[in-house]
Formats: sequence, C-alpha cells, structure tokens
Amino acid sequence: AQSVTQLGSHVSVSEGALVLLRCNYSSSVPPYLFWYVQYPNQGLQLLLKYTSAATLVKGINGFEAEFKKSETSFHLTKPSAHMSDAAEYFCAVSSPNAGNMLTFGGGTRLMVKP
Amino acid sequence: ETGVTQSPTHLIKTRGQQVTLRCSSQSGHNTVSWYQQALGQGPQFIFQYYREEENGRGNFPPRFSGLQFPNYSSELNVNALELDDSALYLCASSLAGRRTTDTQYFGPGTRLTVL
Repeated sequence: AQSVTQLGSHVSVSEGALVLLRCNYSSSVPPYLFWYVQYPNQGLQLLLKYTSAATLVKGINGFEAEFKKSETSFHLTKPSAHMSDAAEYFCAVSSPNAGNMLTFGGGTRLMVKP
Repeated sequence: ETGVTQSPTHLIKTRGQQVTLRCSSQSGHNTVSWYQQALGQGPQFIFQYYREEENGRGNFPPRFSGLQFPNYSSELNVNALELDDSALYLCASSLAGRRTTDTQYFGPGTRLTVL
C-alpha cells in the first residue's frame, strides 16, 4: 500500500520569502511522485514529477522538489514566493504495480502575505 | 489539442437520486481515472478505465459505477445518492497501459451537492 503525508495543512509566507511544502511518502516499491496545484474552483495542474531519473526535479513557475529516498521525502520549494502562488498544493504517489492510480496527501494551503 | 473537459460544472441533487457525470479525455489519451475530492481534503481514487475496461478500483461502494466509450470519453454514475457524496468529482486522462505510469491531466471538475 502507498500513502502520502503532507505536514502542515496551512503554510503562510511573506512575498519574496522561501516556500517549503513538506511531503513524505510510503511505498513498497520505488515510487513515482508528483506535485499538483489547485487554484480556487479549478482542477489540478501538474507542477512537477519524479520518475526515477534526476533526484532534483524542476517544475513550472519556479518550483522544484528533491527526492530523498533515505528520508522518504519529496519536499516542494520555491526561492521567492509571489502573490500568485497562493493556492492548495497536493503531493501524490503512484507505483508501477498500482497501475496509474494516484494516492494524494491531504493538501497544504499556501497563503502569501504582501 | 484540447484538454480534459467535464460536464456539468455544478449539479444539485437530493438524497436517493441518481447522477451521471461526463468527461472527455485529452486528445490521444486512452486511460481515464475518476477521483472524489471532499471539501478540505485531497482527491481519492474511485476507479480507472483503460480501453473501455475497468483497470482498478478504490474503496468506493458498487453504487459508484463507470463507463468508457470507444472515443475514450467516460461517465461516472452514482446511484442512491447520500449526503456524503457531496464533493468535487475530478476526471483525469493519461496515455498509459495497464502496468505503466504516466502523467495524469485533470479536468476542472464537477461540483456535486446532495441535499
């Protein structure tokens, strides 16, 4: 079975500050890992994904995430927050023996203060 | 290239009724997955269809059923609606076989309210 834990349901940062959203996963086989963003009243948009290539993954809008197998983590970072980054962020895991099924974490709401 | 579309956008039903939600896959995608996202929670996997066959199912009762058509569009049917079925229903399409994993692209969702 696979699972995802996102520490912190709400994170607040000032504009220009570092963004760090935490994700830890559990999987019995090497996982594929994803970060999605959801703006109010919209579906999910893929930010980035890890599929067993480079452990540091760069995504859209200046976000990146690092896969750390020893820590079973896949934290999302951005050096400088923008007001437009305010949204809900979801970490998700899938594995080859689970087909194409995503297991999501509970989400982290990012608030950006001016 | 068109993205994933879903209809209707919003829907209000009463307990005990039945509902059908529709999804059109992104062009060229042969796999459709459905997720339920309750308010304040992450999406939960309902089931997946690959080339018109069910390819996996999450922990949802049989009153949740689906179909995939030859053009790879899909329907989610829910019978005997309950209050807890109120949620955003998301459809996602991908180009993947039964044992492969590929990026899933999500539609905007259908907001279902059960009164």
